[in-house]
Amino acid sequence: ETGVTQTPRHLVMGMTNKKSLKCEQHLGHNAMYWYKQSAKKPLELMFVYSLEERVENNSVPSRFSPECPNSSHLFLHLHTLQPEDSALYLCASSQEGLAGDTQYFGPGTRLTVL
Amino acid sequence: AQSVAQPEDQVNVAEGNPLTVKCTYSVSGNPYLFWYVQYPNRGLQFLLKYITGDNLVKGSYGFEAEFNKSQTSFHLKKPSALVSDSALYFCAVRVLISSGSARQLTFGSGTQLTVLP
Repeated sequence: ETGVTQTPRHLVMGMTNKKSLKCEQHLGHNAMYWYKQSAKKPLELMFVYSLEERVENNSVPSRFSPECPNSSHLFLHLHTLQPEDSALYLCASSQEGLAGDTQYFGPGTRLTVL
Repeated sequence: AQSVAQPEDQVNVAEGNPLTVKCTYSVSGNPYLFWYVQYPNRGLQFLLKYITGDNLVKGSYGFEAEFNKSQTSFHLKKPSALVSDSALYFCAVRVLISSGSARQLTFGSGTQLTVLP
């Protein structure tokens, strides 16, 4: 999966830790997304960046802080998380402006909060 | 509000038989519809999409989907299932985010497909 990469693939952290998730897209896209996938629940869109500007924030708690330094990189900074934040975090990218543009996903980071 | 429903949590089918994974949607305006597949411990892989034109869309790995506007459905099909098709399948519909140019995908809850040898 060279199109969209995510690191780390697995992360275990305590509630007082600070960590960051990284996403990189190699597709030349101009929009990037963070999703949360929890068991038995639909994918939840967390943040959207279009042309490096945040255009959507779906009422995500402030303990999640995104950063998009350029069109190829997206970070999700985590601090003082709760056990219910344990989930698979997926990054995606797309080329905005094309009719029916497709989002391409990374492999995800499996996060466990103890 | 826009939404997509996958009425079956689980679909079982014998190898070699045809398979169908159901999806219905509700949107204002013309929908963009997508199917994705997720294998264990992997991200979502794009299978196919409907934008406009021919109601029968062909995608990766021999999958196809039929857009039915009157029934607001976009069912995923394959004429002959393989054991390797066993995975979690997601239907998604495109909605427009009012605050910007980016467009949001709304996903169904997923259908676990198991193909039995």
